[in-house]
Amino acid sequence: EAQVTQNPRYLITVTGKKLTVTCSQNMNHEYMSWYRQDPGLGLRQIYYSMNVEVTDKGDVPEGYKVSRKEKRNFPLILESPSPNQTSLYFCASSSGGAKNIQYFGAGTRLSVL
Amino acid sequence: GENVEQHPSTLSVQEGDSAVIKCTYSDSASNYFPWYKQELGKRPQLIIDIRSNVGEKKDQRIAVTLNKTAKHFSLHITETQPEDSAVYFCAASSPGNTGKLIFGQGTTLQVKP
Repeated sequence: EAQVTQNPRYLITVTGKKLTVTCSQNMNHEYMSWYRQDPGLGLRQIYYSMNVEVTDKGDVPEGYKVSRKEKRNFPLILESPSPNQTSLYFCASSSGGAKNIQYFGAGTRLSVL
Repeated sequence: GENVEQHPSTLSVQEGDSAVIKCTYSDSASNYFPWYKQELGKRPQLIIDIRSNVGEKKDQRIAVTLNKTAKHFSLHITETQPEDSAVYFCAASSPGNTGKLIFGQGTTLQVKP
């Protein structure tokens, strides 16, 4: 079954404690993205990757890091989380090209205390 | 940078009525416009999309129209049903083969029985 898997689904942490949210896709997609969803602000892109070792900033990259060492994985790293990073996070992947359908993971709800 | 504006932010209709959600985009080079539906507690999922060489596309009760000159596109849902209640996001592709989508802020649609 084609899917995007992200973990964990829920996470409560404290300010400054490094965390990683994992994302994996089994569709051999080149493009992967991370979004955060906040009420009234829609889906805002944090980082995206066009292929292995190719990443670029989205609209709200501050406080986040990503890596793309393998095609299937695209982890999101918060080196020193702060309360303003409390949000719902989605990973997505797509094949790109003419029809760029993005497939989303189930989401990670993060609370930073 | 590129921007997508979506209106209204909330929409309430009676079951059986039609619903229309409108989006405008800023970059005339955008060529792909998907619509996603996000049910409560779930991930966004593609419901319909349109490319810039097409003016209208229909799939059962939903349709999307695109006006390239005015740089706006709309989602039309006819004969609404309670299960249409969700948050709807429009998006526009970022120019170039980046795989990037710019999302609107979302519209919360409530269909009253």
